[in-house]
Amino acid sequence: AQKVTQAQTEISVVEKEDVTLDCVYETRDTTYYLFWYKQPPSGELVFLIRRNSFDEQNEISGRYSWNFQKSTSSFNFTITASQVVDSAVYFCALSEKTGANSKLTFGKGITLSVRP
Amino acid sequence: EPEVTQTPSHQVTQMGQEVILRCVPISNHLYFYWYRQILGQKVEFLVSFYNNEISEKSEIFDDQFSVERPDGSNFTLKIRSTKLEDSAMYFCASRPRTNSNQPQHFGDGTRLSIL
Repeated sequence: AQKVTQAQTEISVVEKEDVTLDCVYETRDTTYYLFWYKQPPSGELVFLIRRNSFDEQNEISGRYSWNFQKSTSSFNFTITASQVVDSAVYFCALSEKTGANSKLTFGKGITLSVRP
Repeated sequence: EPEVTQTPSHQVTQMGQEVILRCVPISNHLYFYWYRQILGQKVEFLVSFYNNEISEKSEIFDDQFSVERPDGSNFTLKIRSTKLEDSAMYFCASRPRTNSNQPQHFGDGTRLSIL
């Protein structure tokens, strides 16, 4: 069975600080997909990034970057130069399959508060 | 940019009543999903739907729940006899049919309050 663990529950930083959100996953599949979603106070779920299990190259997209390490089953997400608008709950999610059965298994989420 | 649309945004219903939550997925998407999020908790998978039938459902999705795609655009979740514990935010999601597992796009959710 697939499982996602987000050990951090709440993080508070001052604007312009960098912040890393941790995610550890469990799966028996060799092919899987990892995601980060953001849930701002308004409640919607916003897709941020996606990674395939066969591509461990880490990337940077604007202020977002991620560190995917299969050896430690981790998929950490970093926001550089945080802004107040980054305040939200961040969910890491895992999907083991493609097609219609590609349900997402979410972690419990990390509440990020960015103070001015 | 195309969006998943959910209505209503907030539904208040008496316990025991039937409720239908509506979703309009993105037009060229073929896979549809319902998730729920009890206040302050994580998002949980309910059901996936493809080619007019359920592909997978979770333990939460018991006989009180049903899904339907009554026409070419709407995707509905029905709860037959609501219970207090059904109070939650319900999210609809859709994704296109590709082999590379494109991300699911979520609607803004329907907040269901059972009294």
